[in-house]
Amino acid sequence: AQSVTQLDSHVSVSEGTPVLLRCNYSSSYSPSLFWYVQHPNKGLQLLLKYTSAATLVKGINGFEAEFKKSETSFHLTKPSAHMSDAAEYFCVVSDERGSSNTGKLIFGQGTTLQVKP
Amino acid sequence: GAGVSQSPSNKVTEKGKDVELRCDPISGHTALYWYRQSLGQGLEFLIYFQGNSAPDKSGLPSDRFSAERTGGSVSTLTIQRTQQEDSAVYLCASSLVDYSNEQFFGPGTRLTVL
Repeated sequence: AQSVTQLDSHVSVSEGTPVLLRCNYSSSYSPSLFWYVQHPNKGLQLLLKYTSAATLVKGINGFEAEFKKSETSFHLTKPSAHMSDAAEYFCVVSDERGSSNTGKLIFGQGTTLQVKP
Repeated sequence: GAGVSQSPSNKVTEKGKDVELRCDPISGHTALYWYRQSLGQGLEFLIYFQGNSAPDKSGLPSDRFSAERTGGSVSTLTIQRTQQEDSAVYLCASSLVDYSNEQFFGPGTRLTVL
């Protein structure tokens, strides 16, 4: 069964410094992986997705993630944090079970990113 | 363009009452999903619709939970005899049929069971 593990429940960075949010996945198939962001009292928004094309995926707002099959990782990075990046981030894998793909999403527990001025 | 909408945005109910939560997906999206976000359990899948049929109901936590979708569009999630542990934010998402496509999420319905 597919699963994702977000290694940090809380990450704190200073504005202008790099961001690293870590995610490991488990999947028997070639996975589709996503990062979603949830700002306070806002809906979930897709940051980026990996679907077996390029292993380095660029998303919105300067975020990117690298798919590393050998490490079963899909870490999210950003070179320079902005105050507006403070939010909850979810690493997500799409359920894929052969011919019965439903596309349902399996979420990690989330990482709260705090950005200090 | 219109995104996914959900109503009500907030619902407070008494234990034992039934509630209905509504989701209007993006026009043309054939896939519709319900998820639940709670403090203890995080974000968890409830049910998946493809058109009007629900090939995957595996996430519904008990038989008090049911959902339907009509006309390949609007979906209603019904919780009967609500319990305090049902308190959560219920999220609806829709997408085009392909499983790798982005799911667009609604703002959610915050359910509080007193």
